[in-house]
Amino acid sequence: NAGVTQTPKFQVLKTGQSMTLQCAQDMNHNSMYWYRQDPGMGLRLIYYSASEGTTDKGEVPNGYNVSRLNKREFSLRLESAAPSQTSVYFCASSEQSEQYFGPGTRLTVT
Amino acid sequence: AQSVTQLDSQVPVFEEAPVELRCNYSSSVSVYLFWYVQYPNQGLQLLLKYLSGSTLVKSINGFEAEFNKSQTSFHLRKPSVHISDTAEYFCAVSDIWGSSASKIIFGSGTRLSIRP
Repeated sequence: NAGVTQTPKFQVLKTGQSMTLQCAQDMNHNSMYWYRQDPGMGLRLIYYSASEGTTDKGEVPNGYNVSRLNKREFSLRLESAAPSQTSVYFCASSEQSEQYFGPGTRLTVT
Repeated sequence: AQSVTQLDSQVPVFEEAPVELRCNYSSSVSVYLFWYVQYPNQGLQLLLKYLSGSTLVKSINGFEAEFNKSQTSFHLRKPSVHISDTAEYFCAVSDIWGSSASKIIFGSGTRLSIRP
């Protein structure tokens, strides 16, 4: 059981470039989430998916899009990266109250 | 809307000393409460949670937290810390499970550093 996996682990982008962060879970959870973590700000919810086929905005969705490809996979896309999107991105999944987190993707936008 | 306040951004303590990490929340509805721990360069792991029942909840590695509804607090305590407890600790709150997804609101985190 791998739990929640994320790729890549590290990424450096130039301003204006695009990329997709991948997330997969093998726990058969219905709900999946994308967060960003910045120093002194805790985790902020970008988007979430309550179930396959649905997605909703979280606290900080601007500049991002998501796709719930199937029950296992939930990807986060940056269409035109900006330095303000430099952060650590975490994917999580849940079934009821507890969320399980992936190891994170450290993204730097120069 | 819910919010979580962690009053201390950093807490330095000596090994084997007691520690308390403070957390206050605000919500207009009943809530679930959580403490997550993040070790360096890792994701978050659930440390303990309060859903219902006894207001004192405990983790397997000696931490405990008490839900105090009148003070809207959920402080985390350990009577004797170890070097391996060095990590960042996040308090979190979510609505009582009833919708299709548990949106959790996290505090800004408290960095616990243990001195030998």
